[in-house]
Amino acid sequence: DTGVSQNPRHKITKRGQNVTFRCDPISEHNRLYWYRQTLGQGPEFLTYFQNEAQLEKSRLLSDRFSAERPKGSFSTLEIQRTEQGDSAMYLCASSSQRESTDTQYFGPGTRLTVL
Amino acid sequence: KQEVTQIPAALSVPEGENLVLNCSFTDSAIYNLQWFRQDPGKGLTSLLLIQSSQREQTSGRLNASLDKSSGRSTLYIAASQPGDSATYLCAVDLYNTDKLIFGTGTRLQVFP
Repeated sequence: DTGVSQNPRHKITKRGQNVTFRCDPISEHNRLYWYRQTLGQGPEFLTYFQNEAQLEKSRLLSDRFSAERPKGSFSTLEIQRTEQGDSAMYLCASSSQRESTDTQYFGPGTRLTVL
Repeated sequence: KQEVTQIPAALSVPEGENLVLNCSFTDSAIYNLQWFRQDPGKGLTSLLLIQSSQREQTSGRLNASLDKSSGRSTLYIAASQPGDSATYLCAVDLYNTDKLIFGTGTRLQVFP
């Protein structure tokens, strides 16, 4: 069990560019979550997958955001036409439906800076 | 709409003190409540999870309590150490949802 991993750890991009982040959950965790955290705030829920199905999307997730989990393992989060307001830490978490506690385990995050 | 509030927003104490961090939530229909630790620029580390049917959980020097009826949880840290310096976040998981709703955190500094 190597924990949740996220790549890249840091991304600096110019406004208008597209970016893609990757999350590898703990193996055999069937649930995967994306959160966004801005400076001084707690994380805010973006979207959630159970296996390969995207079950919920926050209103924070505008049309420029898309997330996939094609084989029910790793997930990608893409932001198109980035804006300065997209600058934040993007956190991924995973959990197992088989665990009675439903504990979510978080990755180290990807820090996005949009210039 | 569930709202989670944490007080104080920041706390600075000398090493060795016992601390209480507070978390309140507006909707008592929670499935569980989790306390996390976050170091600057890092991800979240789960400290304790309390199921809605439980009153408290303990791990080492940490003790978390839950009072659903009043919408409150406390995180007690005994004999604080400089290594405890971090931001502490509480989050609630509502029934019939699978997302965590976080407070804004308490930034703790323990000085030698």
